[in-house]
Amino acid sequence: GQQVMQIPQYQHVQEGEDFTTYCNSSTTLSNIQWYKQRPGGHPVFLIQLVKSGEVKKQKRLTFQFGEAKKNSSLHITATQTTDVGTYFCAGPNTNAGKSTFGDGTTLTVKP
Amino acid sequence: DGGITQSPKYLFRKEGQNVTLSCEQNLNHDAMYWYRQDPGQGLRLIYYSQIVNDFQKGDIAEGYSVSREKKESFPLTVTSAQKNPTAFYLCASSTASGPTYEQYFGPGTRLTVT
Repeated sequence: GQQVMQIPQYQHVQEGEDFTTYCNSSTTLSNIQWYKQRPGGHPVFLIQLVKSGEVKKQKRLTFQFGEAKKNSSLHITATQTTDVGTYFCAGPNTNAGKSTFGDGTTLTVKP
Repeated sequence: DGGITQSPKYLFRKEGQNVTLSCEQNLNHDAMYWYRQDPGQGLRLIYYSQIVNDFQKGDIAEGYSVSREKKESFPLTVTSAQKNPTAFYLCASSTASGPTYEQYFGPGTRLTVT
């Protein structure tokens, strides 16, 4: 089935440093979604990207969808302790009606 | 308040017992999902339902069963056939089924089987 790979698995940064997580697929994706899960919490939807080369911003978060629609990235500028958590990407599964989630990137921020 | 509720938050069972996890939503969503999350890992789909009285197996359905008798409810039963049932179980719903629809997640149930 469809596989969505995320790297890195873990990222430790000093507060104020930037952070980027990458999501890659071997096949073209019609769309990609990003979710955030705080420690001990549940995933919360952040954004969806649909268009080739699309870039969307949410305050310090920048989301990109690759030109070939096979990869995506989430970049956080000047991380804060509130950014800690696991960031997941999710792409369409080959079977209609469901998505496949990446394994996530867990971000820790040292104050 | 609209949302998804899961109960209980923590559940402990002895090996060999079946256990049912509750998931209720009042968002009027057609689609509902069950995921399993193990420490340090992503979300793996157990079952999903696109409409009342219909559901499909996900990637790891063995040892689990579901029902969808009402739009609002999608209970998951973890049977004794599930070899490694201890995990964090998350229920989600979306307006309709499909990868372009945002999924809303419940708070989850942490199941421990000893």
